[in-house]
Amino acid sequence: EIVMTQSPATLSVSPGERATLSCRASQSVSSNLAWYQQKPGQAPRLLIYGASTRATGIPARFSGSGSGTEFTLTISSLQSEDFAVYYCQQYNNWPPTFGGGTKVEIK
Amino acid sequence: EVQLVESGGVVVQPGGSLRLSCAASGFTFDDYAMHWVRQAPGKGLEWVSLISWDGGSTYYADSVKGRFTISRDNSKNSLYLQMNSLRAEDTALYYCAKDISPGIAAAGTFDYWGQGTLVTVSS
Repeated sequence: EIVMTQSPATLSVSPGERATLSCRASQSVSSNLAWYQQKPGQAPRLLIYGASTRATGIPARFSGSGSGTEFTLTISSLQSEDFAVYYCQQYNNWPPTFGGGTKVEIK
Repeated sequence: EVQLVESGGVVVQPGGSLRLSCAASGFTFDDYAMHWVRQAPGKGLEWVSLISWDGGSTYYADSVKGRFTISRDNSKNSLYLQMNSLRAEDTALYYCAKDISPGIAAAGTFDYWGQGTLVTVSS
């Protein structure tokens, strides 16, 4: 199965600053890559699919890029509600697999 | 509004069995493949199982193959997960999730999730 590796494990950012999260696949997943946000006690929420397409209702400050094995989620100006854990997930090969997550915390 | 509501999670002994349910509303249930995804306490996400829109195709993670069975009843807009031979490592919050893509081919990514139901396997 494809192994997804996220970095860093924890990212400390001040409100209003830019956050850049990375995700690497152990083999090419083309553009079949999704990003999810999970807040404590809540279910994951789909942010990005197809590596760069925002899901319904997701603010424009969230953007995704990359293809093949290297992907990035950028949050252009962090709001208080953006502090959470972010997961990437590939769906190019079965089974779908998730990265270990990046926790974005307040600096 | 899409809603997915899981139920059935309890404390069960190792080797025991359990059936989880997920009630769906707010979308045409039989247009979409459905999934179960789990999350062990304090850990990341693990895909568990997929069932096609008509129930004709099912897929499982290696960790649950042969022990779990996914099914659906489109007349009741419901998804199920029969869990047998439970192990301590099956302890997790189990989420029901809707596939993003309608039709025959599941995309394998999830646009709506329930709030989860907690399964604890412990003696």
